[in-house]
Amino acid sequence: GAGVSQSPSNKVTEKGKDVELRCDPISGHTALYWYRQSLGQGLEFLIYFQGNSAPDKSGLPSDRFSAERTGGSVSTLTIQRTQQEDSAVYLCASSLQGDNSPLHFGNGTRLTVT
Amino acid sequence: AQSVTQPDIHITVSEGASLELRCNYSYGATPYLFWYVQSPGQGLQLLLKYFSGDTLVQGIKGFEAEFKRSQSSFNLRKPSVHWSDAAEYFCAVLNQAGTALIFGKGTTLSVSS
Repeated sequence: GAGVSQSPSNKVTEKGKDVELRCDPISGHTALYWYRQSLGQGLEFLIYFQGNSAPDKSGLPSDRFSAERTGGSVSTLTIQRTQQEDSAVYLCASSLQGDNSPLHFGNGTRLTVT
Repeated sequence: AQSVTQPDIHITVSEGASLELRCNYSYGATPYLFWYVQSPGQGLQLLLKYFSGDTLVQGIKGFEAEFKRSQSSFNLRKPSVHWSDAAEYFCAVLNQAGTALIFGKGTTLSVSS
């Protein structure tokens, strides 16, 4: 079946602009996660959704970052007033029910802020 | 707070040689531990996981890992490395709230012929 789909795969934006990154999880997966991967920094947790609610958003680095999930499916990560330090690969993952269910990752969106 | 340390940033192994990638975790209770692999241009793929029971767990692609509570370690091993194993490997632990995986910074594996 289809895996986790992310779009766009690449995004170049100017500093100060807003960007939206989209994630389509595997059908039936109730849990959805956003991570950020920067060079040499591993994967940094951003936010966790269970259904449409976000019980853990502790990893969002600033109030410029927000995310929502609708219909228990698609999620959008929005970064307002982008800064150069926001440049990274943004990864989305889903799992069947959260907790210790294995995560299935998308291929990510590479964001470059110029 | 939970954390994961992968002491080796980069390792080079000859094809056919054995491999061990180190992972140490910090966690108060019995951890849920994972190893993921990220091949060039591909997404992360789960290799194996440990929740409880037998401390030696088998995964895909001939990998195994051993949970050692006394050493707070969960090292990944493979008896004979193939060139296609060249990738970045991440160890992770489920956080105490059960809401997220905490990843190490990864170990890049190069395979020489």
